[in-house]
Amino acid sequence: DTTVKQNPRYKLARVGKPVNLICSQTMNHDTMYWYQKKPNQAPKLLLFYYDKILNREADTFEKFQSSRPNNSFCSLYIGSAGLEYSAMYLCASSREDTGQLYFGEGSKLTVL
Amino acid sequence: GDQVEQSPSALSLHEGTGSALRCNFTTTMRAVQWFRKNSRGSLINLFYLASGTKENGRLKSAFDSKERYSTLHIRDAQLEDSGTYFCAAARGSALGRLHFGAGTQLIVIP
Repeated sequence: DTTVKQNPRYKLARVGKPVNLICSQTMNHDTMYWYQKKPNQAPKLLLFYYDKILNREADTFEKFQSSRPNNSFCSLYIGSAGLEYSAMYLCASSREDTGQLYFGEGSKLTVL
Repeated sequence: GDQVEQSPSALSLHEGTGSALRCNFTTTMRAVQWFRKNSRGSLINLFYLASGTKENGRLKSAFDSKERYSTLHIRDAQLEDSGTYFCAAARGSALGRLHFGAGTQLIVIP
């Protein structure tokens, strides 16, 4: 099973409200990623967990938080959503020795 | 700066014909992946290459790390091949930390 599962698939949020997106995988992959994809733009890496170590990209450092309570599960948390956060959020996982990514179906966030 | 230059940005093909997409890299990459965006906006794995070529049905991909490019060849294009294709490459030790190309929007015409 190479499935990466994301919830919710669609999320409506008000400006200033928090958002929590969830991702799980059962492939025992050591690394899990969150990418942001906006229309007509390339996917942008936000952060990734290698085992229990969180790595956040420099330009998204303060905008997104994440947790990984166990190997299978990873969340993406936005403390206060702004209009610019509207996007598709793609979770992915991989084995560190290969780096081949498997993406979930995405969570489409719309901030109003 | 941009490390992955993908071309063309848009491509129209008649059914049954073929063409190639290309990604040039501004630095040495360790591996490349090709994805296709599905109707929901998620990314479907097409190929993962650390070197050489791979073929799957009507698709074939090649990666030359030394020459800093990768290609995706489509032959005998079908209507269902229409969509947006992305290449993404990894450098350094974090192989899953991908640098994406801007994408190629492919339209297959009857």
